[in-house]
Amino acid sequence: EVQLVESGGGLVQPGGSLRLSCAASGFTFSSSWMHWVRQTPGKGLVWVSRITADGSGTIYADSVKGRFTISRDNAKNTVFLQMNRLRAEDTAVYFCVRGESLDYWGQGSLVTVSS
Amino acid sequence: SYVLTQAPSVSVAPGRTASITCGGDKIGSKSVHWYQQKPGQAPVKVIYHDSDRPSGIPERFSGSNSGDTATLTISGVEAGDEADYYCQVRDSNGDHWVFGGGTKLTVL
Repeated sequence: EVQLVESGGGLVQPGGSLRLSCAASGFTFSSSWMHWVRQTPGKGLVWVSRITADGSGTIYADSVKGRFTISRDNAKNTVFLQMNRLRAEDTAVYFCVRGESLDYWGQGSLVTVSS
Repeated sequence: SYVLTQAPSVSVAPGRTASITCGGDKIGSKSVHWYQQKPGQAPVKVIYHDSDRPSGIPERFSGSNSGDTATLTISGVEAGDEADYYCQVRDSNGDHWVFGGGTKLTVL
């Protein structure tokens, strides 16, 4: 069974940093692209970033480019999202998602940016 | 950037057919995916590549895509289908994933 479990969310002040992790199991992690998608409470889904299977290719939404960094550790079946210079508008539930076709989603981790 | 437009809400009586549309420039040339999200839960894919159903998704769910509109159709709507539905494509360069704003399906 495919499982994606996010962790690392919480409350952070504007300008601060946070690192999300997503532990994957039940599939060949090292062969899968991975994404982060976020959802502001009560609002829609917004794609944030993608990393290729071997970690050599990353891409970001314009709203987070230069502030967020996606990475992965295939030995530990884990993908990360390092979030720096956080803003109030980054407040959202962050989902870890598998595959080029976004076929499996984690349950999400809430990030709240507030003073 | 590529924009997908969905109506905020659709209402339908139980047993009837719900049609949820997703508009985009020449969306018929793209592969459209649909997700169902119930309150407090992660999204679940219900249609991929315009009209294919993942295993476990009832045959009541179907999709089509042509011109500037893609459509998710739910036949014989049940109370359990009440949820938010999102369409999604990859942009023209294929390097950004784009979601519609979502449609809330209410079963009367």
